Amino acid sequence: QSALTQPASVSGSPGQSITISCTGTGSDVGGYNHVSWYQHHPGKAPKVIIYDVSIRPSGVSNRFSGSKSGNTASLTISGLQAEDEADYYCSSHTRNRLYVFGTGTKVTVL
Amino acid sequence: EVQLVQSGTEVKQPGESLKISCKGSGYSFTSYWIGWARQMPGKGLEWMGLMWPATSEIRYNPPFQGQVTISADRSTATAYLEWSGLKASDSAMYFCATTLNGNFFWDYWGQGTLVAISS
Repeated sequence: QSALTQPASVSGSPGQSITISCTGTGSDVGGYNHVSWYQHHPGKAPKVIIYDVSIRPSGVSNRFSGSKSGNTASLTISGLQAEDEADYYCSSHTRNRLYVFGTGTKVTVL
Repeated sequence: EVQLVQSGTEVKQPGESLKISCKGSGYSFTSYWIGWARQMPGKGLEWMGLMWPATSEIRYNPPFQGQVTISADRSTATAYLEWSGLKASDSAMYFCATTLNGNFFWDYWGQGTLVAISS
């Protein structure tokens, strides 16, 4: 059960939109609509920003949106802000009734 | 207020045993999955396994099967992660989390426990 594949880094200027991909297999991302995304500032607890592919928890900015096509899920951050600079991880429920994280993406606001 | 409070930083030597904790409060501890994740220095998050406290059902991610033990004490609403023979490669930050508002995502997290293994 390998980690889901994410780009190591993505950057953008304030106000721009960026998209982070998360590629798995039919045994995880492609097989279930249980992909979630986490924002992680180093030294702090991760925070869920998207669950079940595209649902935002209460209190999460609507600048964050999620989608999925086949074995690849995506997180889009629109109107990029300095506070969005963090590490982002996707996670998926798996066929083995476990969870797997993505490799993580460092978002830099230029 | 829902909280997961983890035990503090641990500094250990290789071969020693260790049990770190994650105490839940503000919710029904036995009714939700508890998961453990590892972040090694400079690396990404990795799921280690999860537990349903009501039945003590435990599932381990394959790399961690046989390497750690997940347990819980329902009477104190505390989950544990235990090693019987620490290795230098166990040096990492460890997080617990729970699935309070849904079965398939982790919405409440502990603050993390830093484990440092050095001879």
